[in-house]
Amino acid sequence: KAGVTQTPRYLIKTRGQQVTLSCSPISGHRSVSWYQQTPGQGLQFLFEYFSETQRNKGNFPGRFSGRQFSNSRSEMNVSTLELGDSALYLCASSLEGRGGNTEAFFGQGTRLTVV
Amino acid sequence: AQSVTQLDSQVPVFEEAPVELRCNYSSSVSVYLFWYVQYPNQGLQLLLKYLSGSTLVKSINGFEAEFNKSQTSFHLRKPSVHISDTAEYFCAVRRSGGYQKVTFGTGTKLQVIP
Repeated sequence: KAGVTQTPRYLIKTRGQQVTLSCSPISGHRSVSWYQQTPGQGLQFLFEYFSETQRNKGNFPGRFSGRQFSNSRSEMNVSTLELGDSALYLCASSLEGRGGNTEAFFGQGTRLTVV
Repeated sequence: AQSVTQLDSQVPVFEEAPVELRCNYSSSVSVYLFWYVQYPNQGLQLLLKYLSGSTLVKSINGFEAEFNKSQTSFHLRKPSVHISDTAEYFCAVRRSGGYQKVTFGTGTKLQVIP
């Protein structure tokens, strides 16, 4: 069974540009969550999608958005990039049974560098 | 809302020595607790989890953690570490019931010294 796949692995963008990151969850998983990881802040929750609907959202500005497709693949978009957006962006998928006790499987992440 | 505190950002320890990585959480409701490990240039992998039942949970590679409700802690321990245990460890909490987001601690870097 293939794991969570994130593309691309590395990205370099210029301030003011926008970027789209992609995440393909494990087959059968309907929940996809996105996290931003930085050395100073640790893992910060961005948002979670389940069956194409955003179910939870973290405290990030509106420049950060996402969506989920009918095949559970998800994308996140960051517009008007700032230097502070440089981070490792991690995607996690889970079966998501009721009660929240299912394990989240993480991809290897996309390393975004804003210059 | 729940929160997780990992007080130690880095823990150096000699090979074959014991180690404890501390995790404290706060929540007004019952929770599930997790430990994840992240090796360099990798995503996170689940190490172990507490959902209910026995408060002592163990991983396949010798780590264990004990849920202590009165102290709101979920410390991770290993009696004898190996070089390959060098990684960053994240404690995480999630409210039980319904669909809840997972909140992660800031991580503890375990450096095993040969």
